[in-house]
Amino acid sequence: QSVLTQPPSASGTPGQRVTISCSGSSSNIETIYIYWYQQLPGTAPRPLIYRNNERPSGVPDRFSGSKSGTSASLAISGLRSEDEADYYCAAWDDGVWLFGGGTKLTVL
Amino acid sequence: QVQLVESGGGVVQPGRSLRLSCAASGFTFSTYAMHWVRQAPGKALDWVAAILHDGSSEFYANSVKGRFSISRDNSENTLYLQMNSLRADDTAVYYCAREEWCGGATCYTPFDYWGQGTLVTVSS
Repeated sequence: QSVLTQPPSASGTPGQRVTISCSGSSSNIETIYIYWYQQLPGTAPRPLIYRNNERPSGVPDRFSGSKSGTSASLAISGLRSEDEADYYCAAWDDGVWLFGGGTKLTVL
Repeated sequence: QVQLVESGGGVVQPGRSLRLSCAASGFTFSTYAMHWVRQAPGKALDWVAAILHDGSSEFYANSVKGRFSISRDNSENTLYLQMNSLRADDTAVYYCAREEWCGGATCYTPFDYWGQGTLVTVSS
């Protein structure tokens, strides 16, 4: 079964652009969709990106997603203090939903 | 507005059972697949189970297969998770979340709304 791997932490200063990666452990990752979720401290997650690069309504265009080969990325431009949160990638693969281990983003 | 309200969490001894509920409102429950996702304290999200909009199919993570059972009552707009043979590593906040179904297939907008979660603690 596939595993989604994320860096445990990332950081940036206000206004900066940061990227968070999500890599798959099997070749299936090339053919499946990657989704991204943001979890602010003490709250339930909310969707940021659907199907690799589609933003749900209400999500600022500072957030963008991309996928290439067996790796996907979430980019956040114009970093703000309120972006400090945990970020998770997810995918449906072989009959189960997988979540990455999460990346804690710190705004310095 | 969309609301998902979980209940039924608490402290339970290892090997015992617990049943969680998720009351849905503000949307047409019967057109959404539903999921349970859990999060152990300080840990990552962990998908547990899903059930299609009409209850025709269920899906489980390997870690809970054979111990947990997901079900729904579309007449009551309620989702359930029956948890048997509980273990210490089942300790987590359990969230319910929805996934819209479009004409027999996913709309590719999974987990668009989440409940606030209910805490399950498995301890002797």
